This record gives sequence, structure tokens and C-alpha cells, in this order.
Amino acid sequence: NAGVTQTPKFQVLKTGQSMTLQCAQDMNHNSMYWYRQDPGMGLRLIYYSASEGTTDKGEVPNGYNVSRLNKREFSLRLESAAPSQTSVYFCASSEIVWGGSYNSPLHFGNGTRLTVT
Amino acid sequence: GENVEQHPSTLSVQEGDSAVIKCTYSDSASNYFPWYKQELGKGPQLIIDIRSNVGEKKDQRIAVTLNKTAKHFSLHITETQPEDSAVYFCAASWTGTASKLTFGTGTRLQVTL
Repeated sequence: NAGVTQTPKFQVLKTGQSMTLQCAQDMNHNSMYWYRQDPGMGLRLIYYSASEGTTDKGEVPNGYNVSRLNKREFSLRLESAAPSQTSVYFCASSEIVWGGSYNSPLHFGNGTRLTVT
Repeated sequence: GENVEQHPSTLSVQEGDSAVIKCTYSDSASNYFPWYKQELGKGPQLIIDIRSNVGEKKDQRIAVTLNKTAKHFSLHITETQPEDSAVYFCAASWTGTASKLTFGTGTRLQVTL
């Protein structure tokens, strides 16, 4: 049981290049998320998918696109990378109980460290 | 929207001492407050959470307290051990969905021998 798996672990891009970060979870969770982590700024939500077939913008969506390929997989694409996108990217998943007071903990992957030069 | 402030940004304690990390939030409607621990090279992991209908929750050496009137909550770690060294994040949410979770900026805890 691997949990949340992210690939690649490290990536260096030149400005203007594109790439896709992959994420897969094996916990049968409905919801998946992409965060970026920058020094002194905590974790900020880029995009999320509350359930298969839906995606929504988070706090910092500009410059990114996402695809919820199926229930297990949620990818993040940078179409034209910029130095401001240098960051550590985390994928997470959770189970949601709609309409209730239950908050499902986020399960995070181990991150992708991206450098854009 | 919600704003979560976390202090201190770094904290160094000797093994066996206690550590306290404090967070304040701005939205009085927030009702769920989790704490995550991030070890080097890993993703954050939930260690404890509290809902607004309780004032304190304990799990072995860690505890969280919540003061809704003052809009602040704290993480307490007693009898610290070297394996407690990590970055700790607080967060707050006013709904049942993680998409509305706002994180603090993190506290790097160093436990020295």
C-alpha cells in the first residue's frame, strides 16, 4: 500500500519549457489536490479535484493546468515554466463526507522539487 | 478569506523539554484545526486535529488547545525527543472540505541532545 506516489522526485526546466507532474493514490479517495510549498509561505493550494470528473481552482492556479485522469490519478501541467514556479510540489488525497462535520485528513506524497532556470 | 499566522518560525529545545507552537486565525467561522508534521524530504503528515466543540485534545506526548474567543490554538509537545525534529504546520478550515484548509507558514523544531 504505497499511499500517494509522485513522479518525478526532481526536475530542472528552462524558462518556457513544459512538463507534467504525475500523481497517483491507491487509497480509493475521492478528492485529490495539488499544493506548492515555498519558504516562509507554507502550503498553498493550486488546484483540486473534489471527485472524478471535476476540477477547481485553488489559491494560486495561474500558470498551471490539471487533469483528473481517473479516480486514482491527478496530474499537474506547466505549459510554459517560469522561474516563479520554482517550488516543491505536493499532491494529496482525502476522503470527504459531504454535508457532515467530518474532515478527512490529507494524505500527502513526498513531493517533486522543481527548479526553473 | 481565512488567514493563519504561526509562531515561532524556528524553535530549538533540549531533549526532554517541552515545545509550544502557536497559531492565530482570522475567520471566526473556522471549526477544524489540524496539525501536520513534515520530516525532511517527506510530505506533511497529520499528527493531531481538534474541532471547535472541544477545548483540548491529547495523544500521548502531543496536545492541542483551542481558544475560540481569542481565535488561537496551540500545539504542545512534552518530553521532546530527537525524532520530534521536523517542520510543523497548523491549519484552519470553516467547512468539512480540505479545499478550504488554510495553512500557517510552518515552524522548524530542532530538538538538541
